[in-house]
Amino acid sequence: EDQVTQSPEALRLQEGESSSLNCSYTVSGLRGLFWYRQDPGKGPEFLFTLYSAGEEKEKERLKATLTKKESFLHITAPKPEDSATYLCAVQAAQAGTALIFGKGTTLSVSS
Amino acid sequence: GAGVSQSPSNKVTEKGKDVELRCDPISGHTALYWYRQSLGQGLEFLIYFQGNSAPDKSGLPSDRFSAERTGGSVSTLTIQRTQQEDSAVYLCASSPQWAGSNQPQHFGDGTRLSIL
Repeated sequence: EDQVTQSPEALRLQEGESSSLNCSYTVSGLRGLFWYRQDPGKGPEFLFTLYSAGEEKEKERLKATLTKKESFLHITAPKPEDSATYLCAVQAAQAGTALIFGKGTTLSVSS
Repeated sequence: GAGVSQSPSNKVTEKGKDVELRCDPISGHTALYWYRQSLGQGLEFLIYFQGNSAPDKSGLPSDRFSAERTGGSVSTLTIQRTQQEDSAVYLCASSPQWAGSNQPQHFGDGTRLSIL
């Protein structure tokens, strides 16, 4: 069964304290792995797509990496405005085009 | 519009009533998706449209749920005889996707449905 597990469920950081979020996946053929950011009361906002192991993408303080079994979202020197829930999703070759989401990691960054 | 638009943003209704939720995708996006997000749960896929047809309805939880899309644009999700377990945020997404591609999906802000 295709599955996505994110850890930790919640993460509290001080401003400037770098850390990583984990997304482990089990899929029958990965078509793509997606990272989204979701603020309270809003829909998910697209961040990155990763397609193959070894690929990396960066945007401001965020860097996403991908292996054959997991993806990491590294947050360097976070700021309070980085506080949000970060969602990981996979598109599996045999699941059509629907995304399979993890439950997310809620990040809180305090100043 | 610039993004995916959903209406209403909030809907409160009594158990047993029917509700219609609307999604207006990004202009030119051929693929449209409905998801459901319940408290403490991940996003759950409901249905996928390519143009006006729905090749994947596998996520619809019961026959009380239906959806249609007209003109390759606006979609409505209808829930008949609502139950309390239908309370959730219903999210719509669209992408410039064709079969076999992996373009990112762009989401609206959802409709928060509360069943009393």
